[in-house]
Amino acid sequence: EAQVTQNPRYLITVTGKKLTVTCSQNMNHEYMSWYRQDPGLGLRQIYYSMNVEVTDKGDVPEGYKVSRKEKRNFPLILESPSPNQTSLYFCASRDQGSYEQYFGPGTRLTVT
Amino acid sequence: GNSVTQMEGPVTLSEEAFLTINCTYTATGYPSLFWYVQYPGEGLQLLLKATKADDKGSNKGFEATYRKETTSFHLEKGSVQVSDSAVYFCALVSLNTGNQFYFGTGTSLTVIP
Repeated sequence: EAQVTQNPRYLITVTGKKLTVTCSQNMNHEYMSWYRQDPGLGLRQIYYSMNVEVTDKGDVPEGYKVSRKEKRNFPLILESPSPNQTSLYFCASRDQGSYEQYFGPGTRLTVT
Repeated sequence: GNSVTQMEGPVTLSEEAFLTINCTYTATGYPSLFWYVQYPGEGLQLLLKATKADDKGSNKGFEATYRKETTSFHLEKGSVQVSDSAVYFCALVSLNTGNQFYFGTGTSLTVIP
């Protein structure tokens, strides 16, 4: 089954404790992206990657890191999480020739 | 710059009512436009799309027409069902920013029997 998976689905952590949210897709898509969803703000793009070893900042990259060492994986790293990063995070992927994005199920992060 | 503005919710309708969710956009170049739907507890799914002016996207009884003159892409459905209850997002991607998507804030729809 074609899908985008994220782990963990739920995470509660404390300020300053480094964490990684994993994202994996099995569709051989070149393009992958991370979004955060906040009430009243919709989805905002954090980072995206057009292919292995190619990443670019979206609208809200501050406080986040990403890496793209393999085509299927695109982890989101929070080196020192802060409460304003409490949000619902979505990973998405698409084929380079198409604008249809496939979204993962989401990761709800709470930073206390 | 690029941006999407959609009507605020929440919207509550009775089953079989007519639905319109307004969406307008600002974009450089010639954007492609999308409606995504998010069911409770799930990620977003593409509902329909239009890639050039006057195109009509349609799926599952939903329709939206790409109106360049009014920079709009309003979502419509003639008769909503309880199963249509979800959050709907309008989005665009422009060739000038080909790898960055812009989403609206989402409109929550609840359909009551």
